[in-house]
Parts: sequence; structure tokens; C-alpha cells
Amino acid sequence: GDSVTQMEGPVTLSEEAFLTINCTYTATGYPSLFWYVQYPGEGLQLLLKATKADDKGSNKGFEATYRKETTSFHLEKGSVQVSDSAVYFCALLVPGNTPLVFGKGTRLSVIA
Amino acid sequence: EAGVAQSPRYKIIEKRQSVAFWCNPISGHATLYWYQQILGQGPKLLIQFQNNGVVDDSQLPKDRFSAERLKGVDSTLKIQPAKLEDSAVYLCASSPRLAGPTDTQYFGPGTRLTVL
Repeated sequence: GDSVTQMEGPVTLSEEAFLTINCTYTATGYPSLFWYVQYPGEGLQLLLKATKADDKGSNKGFEATYRKETTSFHLEKGSVQVSDSAVYFCALLVPGNTPLVFGKGTRLSVIA
Repeated sequence: EAGVAQSPRYKIIEKRQSVAFWCNPISGHATLYWYQQILGQGPKLLIQFQNNGVVDDSQLPKDRFSAERLKGVDSTLKIQPAKLEDSAVYLCASSPRLAGPTDTQYFGPGTRLTVL
């Protein structure tokens, strides 16, 4: 079945460090890919998305590129801030197959 | 624009008791979802409504869980009786229509359930 695999956390970085959170997927169809973020005490928020191969989603300094050849959608940010501390979820949605399929999440802690 | 509202935010019950959660989606959103998020895992869809009809409830443990969306607006999820393994965060989400490849689901803050 469809699935998403994320790197395990927690990830701890110093402020202004470079961030990569790996995400790979398995899907029977041609999925759309998403990154959601969950700040402490809050619900999930869409961070960025990409709907076809080679699309790059970006938001708030975060980027991820839909790589069909490697079935990946890695999240990157050039310089993290303390306020980026949260849990990040990679997810996919196969058209016609309605549930969002989430990875297990990666907790990021950024220290000053 | 108001977001997805959920209540209560926290609930502690003993096993075999009953509990109900409420969700009010974003105004005008036709599709409503209930997810279960167990600690350390990603959310898992329990049930999806399109207006007041059920689209997908294949992952809902129907012997103990039930959900309704009678007027196609707000929704209630019930657990009766609760088990220890039901301890989780229950997330409600909504989207304007049946999820397509570019549609965004908007999530509420969740209800954290602890079953003792």
C-alpha cells in the first residue's frame, strides 16, 4: 500500500544551521506530496506542497522538490530559527484515493 | 477566516467509559475528516464526510467508534466503550471539497484523549 518514510528524530540544530529532513514514499498512483508542520499545542498546518515531478514547493524559507526518480520529497531550509522548532510530517495523496497518508513525523529542536 | 474548531482540548477518562468530541469545520467546507494520532505516529484517517454523507470509514473501529455529521456542518465523534489503546490526539480537518491533488486540508488543534 501507499506509505511515507521519514528520517527519525529528534533532530537538534543550532540557530542558523542548515536543515534537511528526508522523506521517501511508495505509492500505487501518481501522488501529490505535502509537508505539514505541528507547532507545540497547535494543529497541523500545511507548510508546502508539490503536485507533479520536479515541482518545488516553498514557504517560510523551507523548500522541497518532488523527485519521481528517487521517490523523494526532502525538506530543506538554509538557516533555521528557534521558532522553527516543531514536528514536521511528510504526507502523500493519491488522486482518487482520498486519505492523506502521513509519515511518523520528525521532531526538530532549534537551540539559540 | 475562522479555523477548524474542536472541543474539548483535553479529556481524561477511565477505560470502558464513553467520550464524545466535537468539531466545527471552516464555514463552507463540504468535506470533513477525523484522524487519530497516536503518540509518535502520523495521523491516521478514521472517517471522511462529504456534506452529511460518509465517503470513507474503512479504518473506523465500528464496534466502539461512531461519528455523525447530521446537517453537513459540525460533527461529533464518539467512543463507547473506550479502551486504553484509544489514548491519542483526535484531529478534525476540513477542505472545500472532496480532496483532489491540489486541495489543502485544514486541521483543528485536536483533542488529546487519555484513557486510564
